[in-house]
Amino acid sequence: DAGVTQSPTHLIKTRGQQVTLRCSPISGHKSVSWYQQVLGQGPQFIFQYYEKEERGRGNFPDRFSARQFPNYSSELNVNALLLGDSALYLCASSKTGIQPQHFGDGTRLSIL
Amino acid sequence: AQTVTQSQPEMSVQEAETVTLSCTYDTSESDYYLFWYKQPPSRQMILVIRQEAYKQQNATENRFSVNFQKAAKSFSLKISDSQLGDAAMYFCAYRAGTASKLTFGTGTRLQVTL
Repeated sequence: DAGVTQSPTHLIKTRGQQVTLRCSPISGHKSVSWYQQVLGQGPQFIFQYYEKEERGRGNFPDRFSARQFPNYSSELNVNALLLGDSALYLCASSKTGIQPQHFGDGTRLSIL
Repeated sequence: AQTVTQSQPEMSVQEAETVTLSCTYDTSESDYYLFWYKQPPSRQMILVIRQEAYKQQNATENRFSVNFQKAAKSFSLKISDSQLGDAAMYFCAYRAGTASKLTFGTGTRLQVTL
């Protein structure tokens, strides 16, 4: 079975632009979570979606938004990009959200 | 708020030797889970081992075991018979019982030498 897949693997944007990151969970997993990992730090929780509904939100500004589709894939959108948004964005899936999460390889976002 | 602290930014171990990575956490919850994740340069976070707070017995997974001291809020990872493939960043993580959010520590970089 395929693991969690994220696209793109690497992205370069400039300040003020908008970006969309995509995640496909493991087959049968209905929960998707997003994390931001700044270089040298541990991942920080951004969002969790389960059955297409937002179930949790971390301490991130409203420039960050996400959604989950009927096939349980998810998109993370970030508007008005700042230099500080440069990070590895990780997606994790689990069957119900409270079971161990399986992570994808991440999307490396660089802001110039 | 829950916090997870890893006080060892870097550790080094010789191949075939044993190493222990430290982690402490702070929570007022009684129902929670603790995890160790491994992140090699390939970036993927890989679950190494998990511990349910209500279980007194320490979790083990082959060469990996934990020392869970609930009263001290300590959760260390012991890697026995270290292998070159164990070299990676190791993150300790906490999750409250009914939540899905993982709270991570800052990580420990483990080097394995010949």
